Amino acid sequence: SQQGEEDPQALSIQEGENATMNCSYKTSINNLQWYRQNSGRGLVHLILIRSNEREKHSGRLRVTLDTSKKSSSLLITASRAADTASYFCAPFRDRDDKIIFGKGTRLHILP
Amino acid sequence: EPEVTQTPSHQVTQMGQEVILRCVPISNHLYFYWYRQILGQKVEFLVSFYNNEISEKSEIFDDQFSVERPDGSNFTLKIRSTKLEDSAMYFCASSLGRFGETQYFGPGTRLLVL
Repeated sequence: SQQGEEDPQALSIQEGENATMNCSYKTSINNLQWYRQNSGRGLVHLILIRSNEREKHSGRLRVTLDTSKKSSSLLITASRAADTASYFCAPFRDRDDKIIFGKGTRLHILP
Repeated sequence: EPEVTQTPSHQVTQMGQEVILRCVPISNHLYFYWYRQILGQKVEFLVSFYNNEISEKSEIFDDQFSVERPDGSNFTLKIRSTKLEDSAMYFCASSLGRFGETQYFGPGTRLLVL
């Protein structure tokens, strides 16, 4: 992938609220993926959105993609304590295979 | 659901010793990766592997590192002579296809070099 830049760097919200984080990237992509990492542990793939899609849902996750602005957003609805984690976007160009991770967004869900 | 496994979960070694980190990728996956994460830093790509060959390696992956798929299931990362700065979490990943495919990560091996 090319490196995506996640924003904000850190986000704290109350349990039950919605969390929105954003990703920007530099060049045209084939797809964009979001991954989650809980406190230094393994990374988990959350969702993949293709360049010809504008929005995708998976459970409490909603991802949007605006290729004209080269940006994506990840919305987590009705947040839970277990959502506390770092979230990374991975924009993939046509012949990208490895993931280049950015700093991510550190999400903290307050009880 | 199939998952990537890694052993050991923790490894402590003396500087200069060789370590082998083991991974069992998802069984029908064809592409394999190692990443590492030094404490408090970003996850970094080390190497990708396909068809018993290295596809790509980063600058970090110098002559001290090697990878192998010794049989049909295991994928290993060997560090020949560990340095203090090799202390990190090492993640294995696998994917079905190569370009733009979802990667499935193992839980990691925490390596501490003393």
